[in-house]
Amino acid sequence: GNSVTQMEGPVTLSEEAFLTINCTYTATGYPSLFWYVQYPGEGLQLLLKATKADDKGSNKGFEATYRKETTSFHLEKGSVQVSDSAVYFCALSAPTGGFKTIFGAGTRLFVKA
Amino acid sequence: DTAVSQTPKYLVTQMGNDKSIKCEQNLGHDTMYWYKQDSKKFLKIMFSYNNKELIINETVPNRFSPKSPDKAHLNLHINSLELGDSAVYFCASSREVLGNEQFFGPGTRLTVL
Repeated sequence: GNSVTQMEGPVTLSEEAFLTINCTYTATGYPSLFWYVQYPGEGLQLLLKATKADDKGSNKGFEATYRKETTSFHLEKGSVQVSDSAVYFCALSAPTGGFKTIFGAGTRLFVKA
Repeated sequence: DTAVSQTPKYLVTQMGNDKSIKCEQNLGHDTMYWYKQDSKKFLKIMFSYNNKELIINETVPNRFSPKSPDKAHLNLHINSLELGDSAVYFCASSREVLGNEQFFGPGTRLTVL
């Protein structure tokens, strides 16, 4: 079945550091890929998405590129801020898989001032 | 003008009680979801409705029963609450079932004593 694996957290960085959160997936066909962010005490919200191979999603300084050859969708940001502290979820939605969006386990990010 | 709203935000109750959580979306979406998030932030799909029709029914105890009176509302009723039901429950909606961004409510934190 379809699945998403993302790096375990927590990830602790200093402000202005470079961020990478790894995400790999297993899916039949051509899934759409997403990154969601959950700030403390809130629901998830979409950060960025990509719907086909080599697409790059970007938002708020975050980027992720849909790599079919490595089945990956790693999240990156060049310079993190304290306000980026949150839990980040990689997710996929595929034509196979019974209409379900599959979420990774989440990676908690702490950014220190 | 909240997009996806849930009530109540907090719910504290005794084992064995029956409780309901309500969800409403004003985005005009056709599809709604219930997710359960445990203390480690793992997100699990429970149910999904598309135009009031149940399309996803994961392996959850039949003590959990969703009801969709119209496509803007998806309520969750839980009978005979157990300690293990303690979690944060999120409602979400999307325009279509596949490949689209999901909009999440703020969550309902259920604590069973």
